Amino acid sequence: QKEVEQDPGPLSVPEGAIVSLNCTYSNSAFQYFMWYRQYSRKGPELLMYTYSSGNKEDGRFTAQVDKSSKYISLFIRDSQPSDSATYLCAMSAGGGSYIPTFGRGTSLIVHP
Amino acid sequence: EAQVTQNPRYLITVTGKKLTVTCSQNMNHEYMSWYRQDPGLGLRQIYYSMNVEVTDKGDVPEGYKVSRKEKRNFPLILESPSPNQTSLYFCASRPTGTGRNEQYFGPGTRLTVT
Repeated sequence: QKEVEQDPGPLSVPEGAIVSLNCTYSNSAFQYFMWYRQYSRKGPELLMYTYSSGNKEDGRFTAQVDKSSKYISLFIRDSQPSDSATYLCAMSAGGGSYIPTFGRGTSLIVHP
Repeated sequence: EAQVTQNPRYLITVTGKKLTVTCSQNMNHEYMSWYRQDPGLGLRQIYYSMNVEVTDKGDVPEGYKVSRKEKRNFPLILESPSPNQTSLYFCASRPTGTGRNEQYFGPGTRLTVT
């Protein structure tokens, strides 16, 4: 079992839909949880950052962390064609661990 | 503009011919790292550096070397490239001491080894 599992998709939705992207993990030491967005032919860019459990909202994006279930989610409301990209979850332990573990990424396609 | 730059962006080479991919950041970040991204495998860390003259192996260091002689630069060296090193490579940096783990990625270098 990989340390971080993420369905590669592709996930295809109509414009305006609510999108749910998810990752599961096995390492209970993970405390920092991130979502990166990667457009084709570009480097990943940080989208959301969460420490420990709970929710975080930023505009149309909401990140959720459920450490008891070892499950994180990214919700995109009112999805737009410009949201079409690959979304990577990433997580790392605290205490000076600088090696984040990435999911494989989920390809999202939002069609007009 | 705050950024991480990589050069070259595309490189085709032959087995065994030494090459260097440069990485530079202008954000005064202490921490820098190299990743490779392969279909179905995601991003895997090759090497990282906590500061000048401090480097350590990531998950897949075999076949790679790095050096950190200046804070802003972190070149990736392939002494004898092989076809299994054909991949998309990303350099990344982040500040330390902030309690946060987000990284800033470069635009990527697509390497093909024939």
